[in-house]
Amino acid sequence: AQSVSQHNHHVILSEAASLELGCNYSYGGTVNLFWYVQYPGQHLQLLLKYFSGDPLVKGIKGFEAEFIKSKFSFNLRKPSVQWSDTAEYFCAVNNAGNMLTFGGGTRLMVKP
Amino acid sequence: EAGVAQSPRYKIIEKRQSVAFWCNPISGHATLYWYQQILGQGPKLLIQFQNNGVVDDSQLPKDRFSAERLKGVDSTLKIQPAKLEDSAVYLCASSLGLASRSYYGYTFGSGTRLTVV
Repeated sequence: AQSVSQHNHHVILSEAASLELGCNYSYGGTVNLFWYVQYPGQHLQLLLKYFSGDPLVKGIKGFEAEFIKSKFSFNLRKPSVQWSDTAEYFCAVNNAGNMLTFGGGTRLMVKP
Repeated sequence: EAGVAQSPRYKIIEKRQSVAFWCNPISGHATLYWYQQILGQGPKLLIQFQNNGVVDDSQLPKDRFSAERLKGVDSTLKIQPAKLEDSAVYLCASSLGLASRSYYGYTFGSGTRLTVV
């Protein structure tokens, strides 16, 4: 069975700091990879996805993620965070069955 | 386009009572999912429908949870009887189909927050 690990449960940053959230997955086959964001009181929204091709993918709001197959990782990055990035971030993977498996989430707080 | 609609937004019940949640997916989306998100955890898949058939219900606690999608459109998820540990947000999501690479993942509804006291 596939699983997803997000090692940082809580991250606190000041505005303009750089962000990197870790995500590792375990699955031996071909996977699709996603990062979702959940702002306070809102529904899950897709930030970015990786299906194939360039392992560096760019998403909305200045986020990007890099797929490193040898490390089974798909870390999320942003060069300069804003207060409005305060949210919970979820890494997810799926396989051909299209079932999404989520990590436990990372709660990001950005101090103004 | 309209999003995934869920109701109610909030529900508080006593343990051993029953409760039902409703979901209306995006029009034309064949695949519908119910996820359970316990506070502090990531969403966990409960059941996946393709049209009106069940694709995966391996993580659904079938002794108390049931779900149906009779006409292949909207769906209901029921818990009977509820336990304290069922307190969670129940998320519905839909997608065009299975392994649809042309679609940007799922679209999630806002969820139903259930509190069992």
